[in-house]
Amino acid sequence: EVQLLESGGGLVQPGGSLRLSCVGSGFTFSSYAMSWVRQAPGKGLEWVSATGSGGVDTHYADSVQGRFTISKDNSRNTLYLQMNSLRAEDTAIYYCVRPLVTAAHTRWFDPWGQGTLVTVSS
Amino acid sequence: DIQMTQSPSSVSASLGDRVTITCRASQDISSKLAWYQQKPGKAPNLLIYAASSLQSGVPSRFSGSASGTEFTLTINSLQPEDFAIYYCQQANSFPLTFGGGTKVEIK
Repeated sequence: EVQLLESGGGLVQPGGSLRLSCVGSGFTFSSYAMSWVRQAPGKGLEWVSATGSGGVDTHYADSVQGRFTISKDNSRNTLYLQMNSLRAEDTAIYYCVRPLVTAAHTRWFDPWGQGTLVTVSS
Repeated sequence: DIQMTQSPSSVSASLGDRVTITCRASQDISSKLAWYQQKPGKAPNLLIYAASSLQSGVPSRFSGSASGTEFTLTINSLQPEDFAIYYCQQANSFPLTFGGGTKVEIK
């Protein structure tokens, strides 16, 4: 069974840092690009960041550019999101997502992880 | 950035009804569009990809179509389990963007 399991969420003060992790299983992790998508409480979906299968090429939403860093450790089947200079508006459930297939430029997502909640508040 | 304008933001419907949700892209996205369903407290679930391809395991009452930059999700014969929020997503270029969502409610 294909699974994505996020961890690392929690309560952090404004200006603080947090690192999210996502472990993939049931598929060849190294063959897939991966992304993070977030959802603020009661709001819609927002794509945050993506990395290629090898973890070299990266992309970011303007709202997190320069503050968040995505990385991928294929030896550990793990995707990371390092979040620095956190703001109240970063409060959200963060989902780890995998493209449906490995083909390049396939950017629709299935499966999704269960999500991890990040709360930025003093 | 490509803007995705989704409408309506909510719709009330009865069991057995046909529901249509529309998403308009601000520029050509070459039919690189997906539809997701999200139920309360759950992660979104992929329904349709490439504008009209049905994801494995999704009931055939769901269908997608495209006309230029306008995309439509149709739910035929609405079932109790279909009451949820639906999102479109453009997959053509970064930054990837989602529509604002459509809540399908019971009339």
